[in-house]
Amino acid sequence: EVQLVESGGGLVKPGGSLRLSCAASGFSFSSHTMNWVRQAPGKGLEWVSSISDSSTYINQADSVKGRFTISRDNAKNSLYLEMNSLRAEDTAVYYCARGLCDGGVCFLGEMDAWGRGTTVTVSS
Amino acid sequence: QSVLTQPPSASGTPGQSVTISCSGSSSNIPTNTVNWYQQVPGASPKLLIYSNRQRPSGVPDRFSGSKSGTSASLAISGLQSEDEAHYYCAAWDDDLKVVLFGGGTQLTVL
Repeated sequence: EVQLVESGGGLVKPGGSLRLSCAASGFSFSSHTMNWVRQAPGKGLEWVSSISDSSTYINQADSVKGRFTISRDNAKNSLYLEMNSLRAEDTAVYYCARGLCDGGVCFLGEMDAWGRGTTVTVSS
Repeated sequence: QSVLTQPPSASGTPGQSVTISCSGSSSNIPTNTVNWYQQVPGASPKLLIYSNRQRPSGVPDRFSGSKSGTSASLAISGLQSEDEAHYYCAAWDDDLKVVLFGGGTQLTVL
């Protein structure tokens, strides 16, 4: 069974930092693009960042460029999101999502497995 | 403000059909795959349609996707109460180099 379990969320002051983790199991983690997607309270989905299977390609939303860093450790089946200079508008549930890949071909925007999310609250 | 535009709400009665639209631009929908996600209140999003019209295993064939020009649509036939959820379209944008989500459509089954 495919499982994605996020952790690391919490309450942080504006300007602070947090590191989110996503533990993956039940599939070949190193064969998939991985994503972070967030959802602010009562709002829609917002893609944050994607990282290719071997970390060669990284894409980010403009809203987090220069502040957030996505990374992965294929040996540990783990995905990370380092978040710095946090703002109130970063308050959201952060989801880890697996990219749908078919025969080594992955199209960004296709995410076929999602974790339950971890909540980040930025407030003084 | 989303670059992919969806109607904020849609509704139908059990058994009816409903269509949700997703309007984009030349840099996203025409040249990239459109995907649809269902999010039931309190749950994580679920992939409903990928690559414009493909259904993941387990998704009923009541759900179908299509794309034409700069727009895409999600059609749901034989509405059921459990279809009440938010629906989001998503696509890569070649100019912005980001994955775009539509603003979401809240479907109510009356």
